[in-house]
Parts: sequence; C-alpha cells; structure tokens
Amino acid sequence: NAGVTQTPKFQVLKTGQSMTLQCAQDMNHNSMYWYRQDPGMGLRLIYYSASEGTTDKGEVPNGYNVSRLNKREFSLRLESAAPSQTSVYFCASSEGGGAGYYEQFFGPGTRLTVL
Amino acid sequence: SQQGEEDPQALSIQEGENATMNCSYKTSINNLQWYRQNSGRGLVHLILIRSNEREKHSGRLRVTLDTSKKSSSLLITASRAADTASYFCATNTGGFKTIFGAGTRLFVKA
Repeated sequence: NAGVTQTPKFQVLKTGQSMTLQCAQDMNHNSMYWYRQDPGMGLRLIYYSASEGTTDKGEVPNGYNVSRLNKREFSLRLESAAPSQTSVYFCASSEGGGAGYYEQFFGPGTRLTVL
Repeated sequence: SQQGEEDPQALSIQEGENATMNCSYKTSINNLQWYRQNSGRGLVHLILIRSNEREKHSGRLRVTLDTSKKSSSLLITASRAADTASYFCATNTGGFKTIFGAGTRLFVKA
C-alpha cells in the first residue's frame, strides 16, 4: 500500500497562474483533508471532505477550491496564485473524522513557491 | 489563532536522556493527539488521548493530559538520534477540524 500520495512534489508558479495539487489514498478512508504549513506555524486546515461527495471549508479556505473526485482522490486548486500561497501543502486522510477520534495519515507534501 | 501551543519551541538533548514537550490549549477538547514530523516529510501519528483519560503509554512515549489546566505533555524516554524531529500536538473540539500547534523541534545528539 502506498498510503497517501501527492503530486507534484515541487512546483514554482508565477503570480496569477493556476494549478491543481493532486492527492490519492489507497486505504479506503472516508475523510480527506488539505493543510498548509508555513515556517514557525502549525498546520492549518484549508478544506476537508468528510465523505465522498461532500466538502467543507477549514480555517484558511480563501483562494482555494477543492474537488472530491471519488473516494480515493481529493484535489486542491489554486485559481490565481499569490505569493502569500507559498507554502508546503499536505494532504491527509482518516477512516472517519467526527470528533477527531481517528488518526490522520499524511502524504509527503508539495512544496509550492509563487513568485 | 492556534488552539494548541507547544513549549519549548526547540529542545536539544544528549542520546539516552529523556525529552519532555508540553502543549497548552485554550478551549475544551474531545481529544488530543501527538504527531511527529521528520525533516521534509509528512506528519506521523504517535498517540491519541481522550478527554476522559489522564495518561497513556506507547513504547517509549508517555502522554499525560490535564483538562483542568488545559495542558498535555509528551515524554520520550531514553532518546535516540532517530527521535530528532518536530513534534506537534493537535486538538479536536468536535467535528472534523483538528487544530495543530506550531511544534517543538527536538534535536538528539549522538
């Protein structure tokens, strides 16, 4: 099992460009998450999908959109990238998520730089 | 604002010593989790402690939770160089939103 995979691993964008970060999990998990990690800060939740067919905003959703393509895949889209979106992006999944009683499994991250 | 805050921000110890990291949070929680992150990698789950539990063990890890003080501690006994990583506490107050602290960077010298 590969666990949680993310593509690409690195990306450099110019301000205003768009891109989609891909995430897939092979653990048959119901819930999936997108976080960003900035220096000196913990992970901040961008969006999450409690189950296939649902998505909800997290702590910092502005400037992002998500799609839960199927149970395995959860993508994050930047429509018009800004330098403030320079960060490391992590995708995670969990068996469930209600009340946070399930551990989250993380992908290796995508390091994004917006010039 | 961050729900969980770790202390210290950084910790350097010799191999074989114990390492203690603390986490404080602001609002009542359902549970608290600890994660480890090696440099350049994703987070790995270490342990989950529920709000009605006071102490939990997993191998060389010991986690305590004091809900009256809104704090938790992670103790790593007999540290090894391989324990060098950042450690994060994560709190959940209900639903799907887990809030991560800024982390403690642990360096274990061989």
